[in-house]
Amino acid sequence: KAGVTQTPRYLIKTRGQQVTLSCSPISGHRSVSWYQQTPGQGLQFLFEYFSETQRNKGNFPGRFSGRQFSNSRSEMNVSTLELGDSALYLCASSFGVGSSTDTQYFGPGTRLTVL
Amino acid sequence: EDQVTQSPEALRLQEGESSSLNCSYTVSGLRGLFWYRQDPGKGPEFLFTLYSAGEEKEKERLKATLTKKESFLHITAPKPEDSATYLCAVQAADYKLSFGAGTTVTVRA
Repeated sequence: KAGVTQTPRYLIKTRGQQVTLSCSPISGHRSVSWYQQTPGQGLQFLFEYFSETQRNKGNFPGRFSGRQFSNSRSEMNVSTLELGDSALYLCASSFGVGSSTDTQYFGPGTRLTVL
Repeated sequence: EDQVTQSPEALRLQEGESSSLNCSYTVSGLRGLFWYRQDPGKGPEFLFTLYSAGEEKEKERLKATLTKKESFLHITAPKPEDSATYLCAVQAADYKLSFGAGTTVTVRA
């Protein structure tokens, strides 16, 4: 079974530009969550999408947005990039339903560098 | 607000020297506690889910335990390939995951 895939794996942008990252979840998974990982802040939750609707949101500015398509694939967009946005962006997928605990499986991440 | 604290921040072990990592947490409506392993530049790799106090899970040289306030990840007779950052996360009632800062384990041959 294929795992979570993220594209691109590496990205270099300059301040003020915008960027779109893509995530394809494990087949059958309907929930996609996005995280930002930096050495100083660790893994921080951005948002979660389930069945094309944003279900949860972290404490990030409105420059960070996302969406999910009918095939559960998700994209994350960051507008007006700042130097502090340099990070590893991780996508995780899960079934997203049911009363039992829902394990999230992570992709390899997209390394974004803002110059 | 949900909080997860991991200790120590870093652990240097000799091959074969067993040790434990700690994860203490406060969360409203715990659905589960997760352990992940992360190698440099890669995404976290799922290890265990623990659902209730008293539960234990084992995988090769790793054993995870859970109480009402903390979890331990025991590494028995570690090998150099066990070197990684180990992350603990708790899942709240709304399915959100909150991560600790991680413990970086280095095992010397």
